[in-house]
Amino acid sequence: GENVEQHPSTLSVQEGDSAVIKCTYSDSASNYFPWYKQELGKRPQLIIDIRSNVGEKKDQRIAVTLNKTAKHFSLHITETQPEDSAVYFCAASINTPLVFGKGTRLSVIA
Amino acid sequence: DAGVIQSPRHEVTEMGQEVTLRCKPISGHDYLFWYRQTMMRGLELLIYFNNNVPIDDSGMPEDRFSAKMPNASFSTLKIQPSEPRDSAVYFCASRPTGNTEAFFGQGTRLTVV
Repeated sequence: GENVEQHPSTLSVQEGDSAVIKCTYSDSASNYFPWYKQELGKRPQLIIDIRSNVGEKKDQRIAVTLNKTAKHFSLHITETQPEDSAVYFCAASINTPLVFGKGTRLSVIA
Repeated sequence: DAGVIQSPRHEVTEMGQEVTLRCKPISGHDYLFWYRQTMMRGLELLIYFNNNVPIDDSGMPEDRFSAKMPNASFSTLKIQPSEPRDSAVYFCASRPTGNTEAFFGQGTRLTVV
């Protein structure tokens, strides 16, 4: 089955700096790659997703890139703000349930 | 729609007791998933249903765990007997047909003492 690795597990950045989280997946047939944000005590919520026919997608301060050849995808957050502090999960799927990475705890220091 | 609804939000029970977690998916969603979240293992898929039929339960940790979906608007996850290592947050999620976003419920925080 699919296996998703996520790095780093924790990340601290100064407010205004950029943050990058990286994930790799094992099954080359995976075609959907969402990113979820989970604030403390709350449910995971989708922030951005990308499909395998697209190499990059951007939504304001958030962007995701996908390299199908290398089987990795990344989340980029620019101009970080304290409210970006949360746990971020990447996931991959092939018309099946989402398989999640272990998460990255992002702390934005004001 | 009110989103995916789970109950209870918190459950504290003694070891050996039966625990039942409940989920109401978003109306019209064909898929329902049960995930367990712990610090050590992250978000683990336990089981998922398509049109009320269990498709893959390979993530269910032991025979103590069982799940049902008697109709399109209700699912249960049961643990019997419960053990302290079952303590975790259990999420239910649903999504429509097509490879797209899964919507999570607020989760049930289970503590087994």
